[in-house]
Amino acid sequence: ETGVTQSPTHLIKTRGQQVTLRCSSQSGHNTVSWYQQALGQGPQFIFQYYREEENGRGNFPPRFSGLQFPNYSSELNVNALELDDSALYLCASSLVSGGGETQYFGPGTRLLVL
Amino acid sequence: GQQLNQSPQSMFIQEGEDVSMNCTSSSIFNTWLWYKQDPGEGPVLLIALYKAGELTSNGRLTAQFGITRKDSFLNISASIPSDVGIYFCAGPRAGGTSYGKLTFGQGTILTVHP
Repeated sequence: ETGVTQSPTHLIKTRGQQVTLRCSSQSGHNTVSWYQQALGQGPQFIFQYYREEENGRGNFPPRFSGLQFPNYSSELNVNALELDDSALYLCASSLVSGGGETQYFGPGTRLLVL
Repeated sequence: GQQLNQSPQSMFIQEGEDVSMNCTSSSIFNTWLWYKQDPGEGPVLLIALYKAGELTSNGRLTAQFGITRKDSFLNISASIPSDVGIYFCAGPRAGGTSYGKLTFGQGTILTVHP
């Protein structure tokens, strides 16, 4: 039990639609990162939010966007869904402090785009 | 971009056997992390390595940070059925130190036969 929850657990969308995935971080964690994990692959870094501002982005197009809220929750939004967006989406929260950080992953949301 | 190559891709072993897997990169990493992912769950951090040559243990798990800083290995001794899962190596992107922005390998799938 990592204290990080994600919703929904599974989701089916059609190509061209928009989707919002949600993550609830551990209380006090000021950083959240989102990853995309395709079947049979390792997670790929999408972006990170630190104190509600984007703080680094991987090789993903602008139709992937995010928000982080003061109550330790965050969202990943994907517009104009494509078939290749089908994957497990993971969020990970951490507390950045002078002593470093340890990430805690949620169980993920499995998205299927038809 | 940075890539981490894990080998083997999969392993089938008998309970009680020792396991060894490794991870290599064409780029230098300042930190190596080893994660385990169970079905339906997010990755969980097993071991973190911070210095070239470092050897760290966590119970039956032992990991080493290669001297060249371009490789790492993970050993599991006396495997048990609950060791089943996917093992990932990971490191901070672009040689940085933030654990929140990680590059992952493609994983080693471990199956343990009772």
